[in-house]
Amino acid sequence: KNQVEQSPQSLIILEGKNCTLQCNYTVSPFSNLRWYKQDTGRGPVSLTIMTFSENTKSNGRYTATLDADTKQSSLHITASQLSDSASYICVVSDRGSTLGRLYFGRGTQLTVWP
Amino acid sequence: EADIYQTPRYLVIGTGKKITLECSQTMGHDKMYWYQQDPGMELHLIHYSYGVNSTEKGDLSSESTVSRIRTEHFPLTLESARPSHTSQYLCASRAGTQETQYFGPGTRLLVL
Repeated sequence: KNQVEQSPQSLIILEGKNCTLQCNYTVSPFSNLRWYKQDTGRGPVSLTIMTFSENTKSNGRYTATLDADTKQSSLHITASQLSDSASYICVVSDRGSTLGRLYFGRGTQLTVWP
Repeated sequence: EADIYQTPRYLVIGTGKKITLECSQTMGHDKMYWYQQDPGMELHLIHYSYGVNSTEKGDLSSESTVSRIRTEHFPLTLESARPSHTSQYLCASRAGTQETQYFGPGTRLLVL
């Protein structure tokens, strides 16, 4: 069964600290993996997208890694800010259909305290 | 910021009412999607469209219906709302040649 599991479910850190969010998936065949940021009451916004051949990608203070062999990804946030408080969702796409079927994790709820 | 809009943003209605959630995008995307998301849970695909006059049901069974008469509009309709329909509904779109889906801000529906 194609699944995407994220950990931790929730995380509280102090402003300025770094943190790492984890994503494990069993989606096959694999096409790409995205990390989205979803602010409360808003739609998800794409942060990074990685294909099979990419193992790291950065977007400002966000750095995503991908290990396609172990089917694991991480999102590292550097020097956290209050505005980083949001849900971070890992999304994996398969190559099994023209639709580009997406499998969503439940997200990690990050809270940054001052 | 993606040019995809949803109205209303919040809706509280009584059981049995007919409602339509609007979604529009100005990016000319041919593919559009409707997702349902409960708090703390993953998004579930309920409808999608490849283009005008093309609609398909998603993975999660839904009593809602959709239409795609124009490229930029993809409204979702509930003929008779029930409390079990209470949820957040997210609309998304993408160009056929791109991988990334762009999401609207969502509609939070509460059925009393």
